[in-house]
Amino acid sequence: DAKTTQPTSMDCAEGRAANLPCNHSTISGNEYVYWYRQIHSQGPQYIIHGLKNNETNEMASLIITEDRKSSTLILPHATLRDTAVYYCIVRVADRDDKIIFGKGTRLHILP
Amino acid sequence: ETGVTQTPRHLVMGMTNKKSLKCEQHLGHNAMYWYKQSAKKPLELMFVYNFKEQTENNSVPSRFSPECPNSSHLFLHLHTLQPEDSALYLCASSKRLIDYEQYFGPGTRLTVT
Repeated sequence: DAKTTQPTSMDCAEGRAANLPCNHSTISGNEYVYWYRQIHSQGPQYIIHGLKNNETNEMASLIITEDRKSSTLILPHATLRDTAVYYCIVRVADRDDKIIFGKGTRLHILP
Repeated sequence: ETGVTQTPRHLVMGMTNKKSLKCEQHLGHNAMYWYKQSAKKPLELMFVYNFKEQTENNSVPSRFSPECPNSSHLFLHLHTLQPEDSALYLCASSKRLIDYEQYFGPGTRLTVT
């Protein structure tokens, strides 16, 4: 079972920041938070990951709370191409720990 | 372009047919994966290969038979499937099993009639 809870769907206006929340209240100290997204009719795409510090790359920023029980993925300037299902995943970076996808958040970017 | 290709992109087969799905990556990755995505269900991991050796079979029925002849190619052989096996079958690869980033192919949309 997925170890995360995400809203089923969200809307965001084009050009605005999209903030996608994720709860992972049972996260262990050695588990990372990963985000993937799946655009319609495509395979999932890795976005970003983090352990406890905030992270930023060319696609997004990841904000992890100090107690690590929740996180937020931020798409700073959402475009229509960001419409997708976003998956928040927690996983130990260990060869025996698999990526388990939950149902994710369906993000609609509105023109 | 993710570097992982899958063929065919669409497949319709009868329950008595035998078919194969193919996945190819030239990213230099050593781990490859098969996932199943059914309508309204989360992605399910089916098989994992590391350096051509199967390391995970996630209780998949024997009518699905994977094959990994080398680190760049992965096949999923299908026989006597059921209509409930209709789904999107996704292949992925990563440099190592522990890596945070898996690269996914576009998937094969399978319909079993």
